[in-house]
Amino acid sequence: EAQVTQNPRYLITVTGKKLTVTCSQNMNHEYMSWYRQDPGLGLRQIYYSMNVEVTDKGDVPEGYKVSRKEKRNFPLILESPSPNQTSLYFCASSLTRGPPYNEQFFGPGTRLTVL
Amino acid sequence: GNSVTQMEGPVTLSEEAFLTINCTYTATGYPSLFWYVQYPGEGLQLLLKATKADDKGSNKGFEATYRKETTSFHLEKGSVQVSDSAVYFCALIAYNTDKLIFGTGTRLQVFP
Repeated sequence: EAQVTQNPRYLITVTGKKLTVTCSQNMNHEYMSWYRQDPGLGLRQIYYSMNVEVTDKGDVPEGYKVSRKEKRNFPLILESPSPNQTSLYFCASSLTRGPPYNEQFFGPGTRLTVL
Repeated sequence: GNSVTQMEGPVTLSEEAFLTINCTYTATGYPSLFWYVQYPGEGLQLLLKATKADDKGSNKGFEATYRKETTSFHLEKGSVQVSDSAVYFCALIAYNTDKLIFGTGTRLQVFP
């Protein structure tokens, strides 16, 4: 089954304790992206990757890191989480061949709480 | 810059009522337009899309038409069900990019 998986689905942590949220897709997609969803703000892009070893900042990259060592994986790293990073996080992937192929497929989400 | 504006919710309807959720966009060139749906506790699913002017996307009884002249992509359904209760996001991908830009979402609540 074609899908995007994320782990963990729920995480409660404390300020300053490094964490990683994993994302993996099995569709051989080049493009992967991380979003955070906050009430009243919709989804905002954190980082994206056009292909292996190619990453770039989105609209709200501060406090986050990513890597793309393999095509299928795109982990999100919070080196020193803070309470304002409490949010619902989504990973997404797509082909990069433009319309009509650029539908993005989303993972189930990771709800992060930073105390 | 590129942006999406959609009506604020919540939208509250009785079962079998007609639904419209307004969405307008600002973008250079010809963006691709999408509606995503988020059911309670779940991730986003693509509901429908349109990639050029006058295209109509449709799925599960929902429809939206890409109107270049009014820069709109309003979501409609003739008869909503309780199971349609969810948050609906309008989004675009601008021409020659892969970045998905979302509206703020509209919560739909359907009561029996």
